[in-house]
Amino acid sequence: ELKVEQNPLFLSMQEGKNYTIYCNYSTTSDRLYWYRQDPGKSLESLFVLLSNGAVKQEGRLMASLDTKARLSTLHITAAVHDLSATYFCAVGLEYGNKLVFGAGTILRVKS
Amino acid sequence: DAMVIQNPRYQVTQFGKPVTLSCSQTLNHNVMYWYQQKSSQAPKLLFHYYDKDFNNEADTPDNFQSRRPNTSFCFLDIRSPGLGDTAMYLCATSRVAGDQAKNIQYFGAGTRLSVL
Repeated sequence: ELKVEQNPLFLSMQEGKNYTIYCNYSTTSDRLYWYRQDPGKSLESLFVLLSNGAVKQEGRLMASLDTKARLSTLHITAAVHDLSATYFCAVGLEYGNKLVFGAGTILRVKS
Repeated sequence: DAMVIQNPRYQVTQFGKPVTLSCSQTLNHNVMYWYQQKSSQAPKLLFHYYDKDFNNEADTPDNFQSRRPNTSFCFLDIRSPGLGDTAMYLCATSRVAGDQAKNIQYFGAGTRLSVL
């Protein structure tokens, strides 16, 4: 059974600081997704990582994938309050037809 | 310009009273999914339709059924809701275009179901 582990599960940051969220998974996969969810809202796609060594950046967020280590990271640079949300990684199986989500990381950025 | 639309946004039902949640999409995507997300948990896939082909997850309770009458619409039927079915139900769609395609799933805003 595929297991997807995120850590930390809760992250409280000061504005302007950097931090990394980790996503480990237990079996081979052909793709890795990162989603953002605001309280009471739906999931918004952030990144899709399709190959070993893939790196994607959007604003203050950068995601990377190491398929050999079965590890993806989401790095936050100079955090701002607007980044406060829950971030999920999801491992894609069957060409992305099936997503298995991690437990999510609740990020709170404090002024 | 919402692309994946779920109705209703909030639904309260009584224990054992059947309920239907709906999802429509304007993206013309060939795959539609239903997820259950309980409070402070990750979304969990219940089933998906690849075109008209229904794919049920092994651990989805028999109490949950789905219908997809056409490309645009998909329904989630809960035949006899229990208290443990209180959750957010998320619909998602994707266009599966090949093994190297991104196949991003686009989610609706969800239906928050409360079973009393």
